[in-house]
Amino acid sequence: AQSVTQLDSQVPVFEEAPVELRCNYSSSVSVYLFWYVQYPNQGLQLLLKYLSGSTLVKGINGFEAEFNKSQTSFHLRKPSVHISDTAEYFCAVINRDDKIIFGKGTRLHILP
Amino acid sequence: NAGVTQTPKFRILKIGQSMTLQCTQDMNHNYMYWYRQDPGMGLKLIYYSVGAGITDKGEVPNGYNVSRSTTEDFPLRLELAAPSQTSVYFCASRLTLGAPEAFFGQGTRLTVV
Repeated sequence: AQSVTQLDSQVPVFEEAPVELRCNYSSSVSVYLFWYVQYPNQGLQLLLKYLSGSTLVKGINGFEAEFNKSQTSFHLRKPSVHISDTAEYFCAVINRDDKIIFGKGTRLHILP
Repeated sequence: NAGVTQTPKFRILKIGQSMTLQCTQDMNHNYMYWYRQDPGMGLKLIYYSVGAGITDKGEVPNGYNVSRSTTEDFPLRLELAAPSQTSVYFCASRLTLGAPEAFFGQGTRLTVV
C-alpha cells in the first residue's frame, strides 16, 4: 500500500531562518504530490503541487518543493520563515485508486 | 465562491446517538472524500466517492456510512456514536483531470460523551 512519511512531527526554527520539512513517499509509479498547510482551527489549504515536468515547484507564501524520483522525496523549503508560517504542514499523494494519502503532519514552530 | 461547505461546525453527541455530517460542494467535482483528523495522526480516509451513486471504503470506515445521490452532496452518517469517534472531520472534493488537488471544508469538531 502506498504511504507517505513525514519524518519530523515538530520543527522549531527561528524567524527569518530557512526551513526544510521532509516528506518521503512509497511508490513505483508516477504520482501526484502535494503539500497542504493547516492553520489553527481551519481546514487544509493547498501550498503547492507536483503533477509532472519541472522537479522544482513553487507555491504560495514563498514555499517551494523539489520532487526527487530516485529518492522518492518531496521536501518542502522556505528560505526565510515568518511568524505567520506557524502551522501544521501535510504532505500528500494521490494513488492509483484515486485515494489521497496524507502523512502525519509536521508542526512548524517559529521562534522569535 | 462557497467551495466545500460542512455543517455543523461543532457538535456534542451522547454515546449511542446518531447524526449526519453534511458536506456540499459547488464546484461540480466528481470525487469527494471524508477524513477524520486526530492529534498527531494526520488525516485518515473514512469513505470516498468517485461520482454520484458510487462510494467506497477508506482506511477507517467502521461505524460510519455514506451516500452520494447527487454530485454536490456527500453526507457522512454516524449510527451509534462512540467515544472513539470524537475527532475533527473534514470533507474534500476534487476533479480527476487537469487540476487534481483537493479542496477542503472547514471541518466539523465532534465530541462524543
